[in-house]
Amino acid sequence: AQKVTQAQTEISVVEKEDVTLDCVYETRDTTYYLFWYKQPPSGELVFLIRRNSFDEQNEISGRYSWNFQKSTSSFNFTITASQVVDSAVYFCALISSGSARQLTFGSGTQLTVLP
Amino acid sequence: GAGVSQTPSNKVTEKGKYVELRCDPISGHTALYWYRQSLGQGPEFLIYFQGTGAADDSGLPNDRFFAVRPEGSVSTLKIQRTERGDSAVYLCASSTSPQETQYFGPGTRLLVL
Repeated sequence: AQKVTQAQTEISVVEKEDVTLDCVYETRDTTYYLFWYKQPPSGELVFLIRRNSFDEQNEISGRYSWNFQKSTSSFNFTITASQVVDSAVYFCALISSGSARQLTFGSGTQLTVLP
Repeated sequence: GAGVSQTPSNKVTEKGKYVELRCDPISGHTALYWYRQSLGQGPEFLIYFQGTGAADDSGLPNDRFFAVRPEGSVSTLKIQRTERGDSAVYLCASSTSPQETQYFGPGTRLLVL
């Protein structure tokens, strides 16, 4: 069985603040992939990043960065200098070699960036 | 190129009716997935196709739900005798192969009255 926990249901920040969204996962498999998706008010899920379990290097893409730590089973997402357009629900998700190809999503974090 | 498309974007039906939801994956993607998202929740897996066959249908909630992908491209999710609890957004995704990134369509918002 696999599970993804996003403990932060809602976060509100003021524009230009940095914000970190937490994600903790559970899986028995040694080979797995972690994802972050963004769901803006329009509803469509937008892919942000995919990482495999053998690559613990942190990744930076513009204002976005991801911290993957196997020791704590966490895959946290940081937005630097947040903007109003970052307001959305963010989902962390997991797929593992034993999961028969199905993504398991967390319950999501609603991020609101205030002007 | 074109992304995943889903039709209709919205569907309102009455309890007990039959509905069909259509998904057109990204061209060349052999893997296709259906998920259901209830309000305030993350998407939940329903069924996965590899080519024409359903490789995993363990997420279908009961036998009122059925999906097909006869030619390995377009897929249709069919719901018989709809119930109010079926109201949700039904999302379709596709990928080049299992465990590769799944790209999602805009979803079909189903409302059962």
